[in-house]
Amino acid sequence: GAVVSQHPSWVICKSGTSVKIECRSLDFQATTMFWYRQFPKQSLMLMATSNEGSKATYEQGVEKDKFLINHASLTLSTLTVTSAHPEDSSFYICSARRHGAGIIQETQYFGPGTRLLVL
Amino acid sequence: DAKTTQPNSMESNEEEPVHLPCNHSTISGTDYIHWYRQLPSQGPEYVIHGLTSNVNNRMASLAIAEDRKSSTLILHRATLRDAAVYYCILRVRISGSNYQLIWGAGTKLIIKP
Repeated sequence: GAVVSQHPSWVICKSGTSVKIECRSLDFQATTMFWYRQFPKQSLMLMATSNEGSKATYEQGVEKDKFLINHASLTLSTLTVTSAHPEDSSFYICSARRHGAGIIQETQYFGPGTRLLVL
Repeated sequence: DAKTTQPNSMESNEEEPVHLPCNHSTISGTDYIHWYRQLPSQGPEYVIHGLTSNVNNRMASLAIAEDRKSSTLILHRATLRDAAVYYCILRVRISGSNYQLIWGAGTKLIIKP
């Protein structure tokens, strides 16, 4: 159990276009989903925390108008990179926290990632 | 700020135990210690977590120092499939029931056949 999927797995787009990435929890409900970005040979950087039905909380330095996050249901969150530029090229990874998880069960389940290349 | 420090890389022979160290000297009393690993071009995979006591599961063991300022992930018998970047992470409370994972730089584990 506890499978998280992402779609698409990779995308190539032209500069200026918008790209939407979906994150789904397949066999559990996720109260909270997290979006990370990872550059080559670096660790994961948290971009934002998304709670179902409310606005996402963005980390310092992450532009909320550029990285639009929607968490419309307990199984789906989307990240839209608006007007993408080459510097937005990165590996985007989502994770989900199980609904009703207590402290002991606080484990994030990660998706396989989406590689974005902006030309 | 809570943070972790790990060696950049480690090498080990196949079928031998591996001890991956992590320092977290600024850890607070409510911070959990988590370990994830990541294979190339994949999302991280949960390995183990703990608070104060040592923990064992089917993947690994976690040994936590008495003062909690360091911990060691133990792979009892490494295989080639265990080659990955291993991240030592602190799970810190932000507010209420909201938590974040604070990621370290990770240790790249190389397994030699």
